[in-house]
Amino acid sequence: GAGVSQSPSNKVTEKGKDVELRCDPISGHTALYWYRQSLGQGLEFLIYFQGNSAPDKSGLPSDRFSAERTGGSVSTLTIQRTQQEDSAVYLCASSFKSSGETQYFGPGTRLLVL
Amino acid sequence: GQQLNQSPQSMFIQEGEDVSMNCTSSSIFNTWLWYKQEPGEGPVLLIALYKAGELTSNGRLTAQFGITRKDSFLNISASIPSDVGIYFCAGQLRGSARQLTFGSGTQLTVLP
Repeated sequence: GAGVSQSPSNKVTEKGKDVELRCDPISGHTALYWYRQSLGQGLEFLIYFQGNSAPDKSGLPSDRFSAERTGGSVSTLTIQRTQQEDSAVYLCASSFKSSGETQYFGPGTRLLVL
Repeated sequence: GQQLNQSPQSMFIQEGEDVSMNCTSSSIFNTWLWYKQEPGEGPVLLIALYKAGELTSNGRLTAQFGITRKDSFLNISASIPSDVGIYFCAGQLRGSARQLTFGSGTQLTVLP
């Protein structure tokens, strides 16, 4: 079946602009995660959604970052007033449920802030 | 935040050699996972470990969940060129945390 998909695959923007990144999880997966991967680094947790529960936003680096998940499926990560240090690969993952379930990753969105 | 110490950072090996990499932490994990990431792709799950002491194989790959729940290793036997990539360990903490904590990765290069 289809895996996790993300769009766009690449995004170049100017400093100060807002960007929206989209994630389509695997159908039927109730848990959705956003991670950020800087060049040569491991993945850094950003935010987690589980069903209709309030999201765990503990990993968001600043209030310029926000995310929504509509209808328990598609999620959008928004970065307002982008800064150069926001440049990274933003990865989305989903799992059937949360605890103990394997997370499957999308291909990521490569964001470059000029 | 929580950290996983993954080593080595990079490895250059000859085709056919065996490879070993490991992760350690000061925290106790419920789950250990090993992912492989190739350029331009997201991480792909290789092996998942759910019980302390568990030893699991997937083809030429073998991984173990340390008995203390604070470490894990991944072995690759008889390496081939397509093993090239970055290997990440990841752990899910005990308790309410659901997100994965990742190691910094091991860049593997296989020389023909």
